[in-house]
Amino acid sequence: QVQLVQSGAEVKKPGASVKVSCKASGYTFTSYDINWVRQATGQGLEWMGWMNPNSGNTGYAQKFQGRVTMTRNTSISTAYMELSSLRSEDTAVYYCARDFGDLDYWGQGTLVTVSS
Amino acid sequence: QSVLTQPPSASGTPGQRVTISCSGSSSNIGSNYVYWYQQLPGTAPKLLIYRNNQRPSGVPDRFSGSKSGTSASLAISGLRSEDEADYYCAAWDDSLSGARVFGGGTKLTVL
Repeated sequence: QVQLVQSGAEVKKPGASVKVSCKASGYTFTSYDINWVRQATGQGLEWMGWMNPNSGNTGYAQKFQGRVTMTRNTSISTAYMELSSLRSEDTAVYYCARDFGDLDYWGQGTLVTVSS
Repeated sequence: QSVLTQPPSASGTPGQRVTISCSGSSSNIGSNYVYWYQQLPGTAPKLLIYRNNQRPSGVPDRFSGSKSGTSASLAISGLRSEDEADYYCAAWDDSLSGARVFGGGTKLTVL
């Protein structure tokens, strides 16, 4: 069965960077894009961008351009999302999701807390 | 401020039919498919409707989606207590260099 398993919670100081991983199983990793979506506590879903695991091509939401980097390691079927220059407003749960036109499978989420 | 507009809340009693609206523009809903996601408390979102009105396997036919012009709706019939959740609409937006946009979410309460 398709599964996306994300790395554990992180606590970071303002100005630092965080890198969240998303390990895929149960399907061919390079056949579907991976999207990243975040959700602040009590807030809605916010799309961050996509990555094609086959080519490495990416597309980022304008809001995160210059601060986000999405990469992958195809040998271990894992996608990564790195967000830099963290500020308190980046405190949120970060989700990866498989993109089949829709977002049909989601990871369990990774809580990133930014606090001094 | 979300690109797609949803009512913040909706409610109904068991057995009732409720609808949740999602309003957009010509660059998103007007020219692309609409998707709906259900998020139960403390869990990741789950795909509920894809391509405006298609249900993934396992989603009950009590859930249905529709689209007209620059608006879309999610209807839930035979409301059940386990339907209490947050619901989000989503679409691609052609005006934002190819960005996926979400509605602000609607919290559905089953009274």
